[in-house]
Amino acid sequence: GAGVSQSPRYKVTKRGQDVALRCDPISGHVSLYWYRQALGQGPEFLTYFNYEAQQDKSGLPNDRFSAERPEGSISTLTIQRTEQRDSAMYRCASSTGLAGVRETQYFGPGTRLLVL
Amino acid sequence: LAKTTQPISMDSYEGQEVNITCSHNNIATNDYITWYQQFPSQGPRFIIQGYKTKVTNEVASLFIPADRKSSTLSLPRVSLSDTAVYYCLVGTIMNTGFQKLVFGTGTRLLVSP
Repeated sequence: GAGVSQSPRYKVTKRGQDVALRCDPISGHVSLYWYRQALGQGPEFLTYFNYEAQQDKSGLPNDRFSAERPEGSISTLTIQRTEQRDSAMYRCASSTGLAGVRETQYFGPGTRLLVL
Repeated sequence: LAKTTQPISMDSYEGQEVNITCSHNNIATNDYITWYQQFPSQGPRFIIQGYKTKVTNEVASLFIPADRKSSTLSLPRVSLSDTAVYYCLVGTIMNTGFQKLVFGTGTRLLVSP
């Protein structure tokens, strides 16, 4: 079956521009997670949703970052006024049940963001 | 959140058993130990999870001693396709029941012919 998909796969933007990164979770998965991964590092948690409700956004670096999942399926991570330090791989994951300790997270291929 | 320490890299040969040990000295009572695998250009993939003693699945085994301050991921008879980064994660259960995954830098396993 189809896994988690993300679009675009690559995004090059100029400093100061806004970008929107999309995540399509596995069909029926109720929880969705966003991570950021720098080269040579493990993914860094940003935020997560149970259905359409954002439960934890403690990992968002600052108020330029926001995420939504209005219908409990597709999610968008938006970065406003991008800065060069925002360049990274942004990964999305989803899980079958409500986010919890025993839930396996299925990761997507990521969106590589490059801010010039 | 409990911090994990694991070797930066390991080398092995095809057909050998590989054991990757992770230290998590300040693991909390409610913490589970989870291992993920990541191939280049792909997202992490769940391998195994355990709380205590030994857990085995079709891919790996996870050994956790009684004090739970460390854990060992065992990969039997590795092949070239097992070359990847392996992450050991220990997460604290939040009040909501959510376990925030905190990835370190992982262990880069290189399997050679």
